[in-house]
Amino acid sequence: GDSVTQMEGPVTLSEEAFLTINCTYTATGYPSLFWYVQYPGEGLQLLLKATKADDKGSNKGFEATYRKETTSFHLEKGSVQVSDSAVYFCALSDQANTGNQFYFGTGTSLTVIP
Amino acid sequence: GAGVSQSPSNKVTEKGKDVELRCDPISGHTALYWYRQSLGQGLEFLIYFQGNSAPDKSGLPSDRFSAERTGGSVSTLTIQRTQQEDSAVYLCASSFGRGTEAFFGQGTRLTVV
Repeated sequence: GDSVTQMEGPVTLSEEAFLTINCTYTATGYPSLFWYVQYPGEGLQLLLKATKADDKGSNKGFEATYRKETTSFHLEKGSVQVSDSAVYFCALSDQANTGNQFYFGTGTSLTVIP
Repeated sequence: GAGVSQSPSNKVTEKGKDVELRCDPISGHTALYWYRQSLGQGLEFLIYFQGNSAPDKSGLPSDRFSAERTGGSVSTLTIQRTQQEDSAVYLCASSFGRGTEAFFGQGTRLTVV
């Protein structure tokens, strides 16, 4: 079945450091891939998405490239800020599934210190 | 409305009581999902509705949990005879269907005392 494996946290970085959060997936069909962010005390928000191989999603300085050959969708940011402290979830939506088709990773907690 | 709306935002109930949680999805979204998030944990899938198809109930943890979606829009998650382990944030999301992004509500924080 489909699944998403995400880098375990927590991750602590200094402000302006480079961020990578690894995400790999298994899917039976042709999934769309997503990163969601959950700021403290809030709901999940879509951060970025990619719908086909080699697509790059980007938003708020974050980027992720849909790599079909490595089944990966790693999240990167060149210079993190304190305001980026949150939990990040990798997810996929597989059009091939007849049942539930949205799968989430376990989440990675990021803390950025000044 | 503009986004997914959930009510109540907070619910405190006594052990053994029944509770109903409501979700109003984004207008036009055919897919609706319920998830549960315990403190500091990830998302636990509960149930998925897609249009008029039979729902995917494979994530419901016990027969005390049920959900319905009336008229392809509003959904209600019911928990009967609540237990303390049911305490969590219950999140609802909706989307246009397979392959599209899901939009989440703010959740209902359920506390069973």
